[in-house]
Amino acid sequence: EVQVLESGGGLVQPGGSLRLSCAASGFTFSGYAMTWVRQAPGKGLEWVSSIFGSGGGTYYEDSVKGRFTISRDNSKSSLYLQMNSLRAEDTAVYYCAKSSSSWPYYFDYWGQGTLVTVSS
Amino acid sequence: EIVLTQSPATLSLSPGERATLSCRASQSVNKYLAWYQQKPGQAPRLLIFDASNRATGIPARFSGSGSGTDFTLTISSLEPEDFAVYYCQQRSNWPWLTFGGGTKVEIK
Repeated sequence: EVQVLESGGGLVQPGGSLRLSCAASGFTFSGYAMTWVRQAPGKGLEWVSSIFGSGGGTYYEDSVKGRFTISRDNSKSSLYLQMNSLRAEDTAVYYCAKSSSSWPYYFDYWGQGTLVTVSS
Repeated sequence: EIVLTQSPATLSLSPGERATLSCRASQSVNKYLAWYQQKPGQAPRLLIFDASNRATGIPARFSGSGSGTDFTLTISSLEPEDFAVYYCQQRSNWPWLTFGGGTKVEIK
């Protein structure tokens, strides 16, 4: 059974940092692109960042480029999101999502999300 | 950026009725559009990809159609578990993936 489980969310002050983790199981982790998608309270879904299975290609939404870093450790079947210089508008539930193929096009398995709150 | 506009914002229907949800793209996305279902407090669930292909395990009452800029998600006969928010997502402009604002299907 495919499972993805996020952790690492919490309350952080503006300008602070946080590292999210996602533990995956039930599939060949290195064979699939992985993505972070966020959802601000009461709002819709927003793509944040994607990484290919090999870790060789990383992509970011413009508002997080230069502040967030996506990475993965295939030996641990884990995905990460290092978030620096956090802003109030980064407040959201962050979902880890498995791509339905090796390309990060669509997402067939999602975690339950981890809440990041940026506030003083 | 490709903007996806979903309509209506809210759809009030009764169980057993047919639901028709629309997603319009600001420019052509070819067939590269997906639909997701999200229930309160839950993660999204992939329903349809590439406009008309049902994802694994998705009931046949869900169907997708369209190409270019206009897409439709149809639920042929609403079951109680289908009342949720539905989002469309394009991958035509990868890696800049975008989602629509959502349509809430609520019980009338």
